[in-house]
Amino acid sequence: DAKTTQPPSMDCAEGRAANLPCNHSTISGNEYVYWYRQIHSQGPQYIIHGLKNNETNEMASLIITEDRKSSTLILPHATLRDTAVYYCIVRPRGNTGNQFYFGTGTSLTVIP
Amino acid sequence: DSGVTQTPKHLITATGQRVTLRCSPRSGDLSVYWYQQSLDQGLQFLIQYYNGEERAKGNILERFSAQQFPDLHSELNLSSLELGDSALYFCASSVSGVSAGELFFGEGSRLTVL
Repeated sequence: DAKTTQPPSMDCAEGRAANLPCNHSTISGNEYVYWYRQIHSQGPQYIIHGLKNNETNEMASLIITEDRKSSTLILPHATLRDTAVYYCIVRPRGNTGNQFYFGTGTSLTVIP
Repeated sequence: DSGVTQTPKHLITATGQRVTLRCSPRSGDLSVYWYQQSLDQGLQFLIQYYNGEERAKGNILERFSAQQFPDLHSELNLSSLELGDSALYFCASSVSGVSAGELFFGEGSRLTVL
């Protein structure tokens, strides 16, 4: 079951950085933080994941606080195509299966 | 293109009927997952298979069943359909069933029950 809290919606101006917060105050030491997004009824798309260090890839950066109770997904230069629902998910590693539980996510609207 | 193929893309049927949704995972992926997304709802995990065996079960109704075949494709069977079963059904795959890794989602099958 989802163990994260995200704001239901956010706006961001095109070209600016979009910072999407996620609270996961009950995260345990063996749980990863994953981010996915879903563009209008398409299949969800993996963005990034991390355990405790900050991570960056070609799509985004993931900043995880030192106590790991929250994280922020950063889209450095938001475009209109980044308008989507963004899901923050915590998932344990180990022999527990690889199922992901999605919450309601944050609906990000990038404004021209 | 995620490499996960789902068929059919759209399906319209009547209450009480039975349908089968098919999923072909990415080449080399051993795990298949099924999710349901009703209108304006989040993604609900239904069931996971790994190399032909059921690995995890989520909020799957007893009227629904799934299986993964030796060639690793999977089918989700929905029977005694009700209006509330109208939804997008997504299949996802991953290489392993246990390691940290990403899921690759198909484009979904949209089921409409009239």
